[in-house]
Amino acid sequence: SQTIHQWPATLVQPVGSPLSLECTVEGTSNPNLYWYRQAAGRGLQLLFYSIGIDQISSEVPQNLSASRPQDRQFILSSKKLLLSDSGFYLCAWIQPWDRANYGYTFGSGTRLTVV
Amino acid sequence: GQNIDQPTEMTATEGAIVQINCTYQTSGFNGLFWYQQHAGEAPTFLSYNVLDGLEEKGRFSSFLSRSKGYSYLLLKELQMKDSASYLCAVRGDNAGNMLTFGGGTRLMVKP
Repeated sequence: SQTIHQWPATLVQPVGSPLSLECTVEGTSNPNLYWYRQAAGRGLQLLFYSIGIDQISSEVPQNLSASRPQDRQFILSSKKLLLSDSGFYLCAWIQPWDRANYGYTFGSGTRLTVV
Repeated sequence: GQNIDQPTEMTATEGAIVQINCTYQTSGFNGLFWYQQHAGEAPTFLSYNVLDGLEEKGRFSSFLSRSKGYSYLLLKELQMKDSASYLCAVRGDNAGNMLTFGGGTRLMVKP
């Protein structure tokens, strides 16, 4: 069965510090991978998506970056965090060719507080 | 681009029926999703519509009208545990298969 792991669950970081959030998927290959951010009481905003290794597309300009060094690994990074980077970060995956599994599956999320 | 609208908050009584509406304007359409999200947790998949009509799954049903850019999620026999946010999301017809989400509807179920 397919599973998605995301860590850490919570993180408190000072302004100007670096960030690395990791997401891995098991039980599938060549998934589409996504990073979303959710501000308190708001909907989900797509940050990055990837359709393959080293293929990253950015949806919004920001001081965040994403990388996909392996097929089932998706990393969200920042060199210097801003207060506005606080939020709930969610990784998600889908197997676009699998008509029977069209639902996007989300990781458990990382709650980031920048102080 | 995509624009998705849904009410911010709704309140209903335990045992009742509630309908959460979603309207969308998109440059491409390849399916509409409903997710449930409890506070502090990740969204979980509820339903998917790509053709017009009603999809029923237990106490939850979802309806789609592509010509009207309209969907609703119907929750029957409400339970206290149904108190959560309900997210409407549209998938475009692009290579990335990205979902664009509405702001979510926070449903409060009262005894």
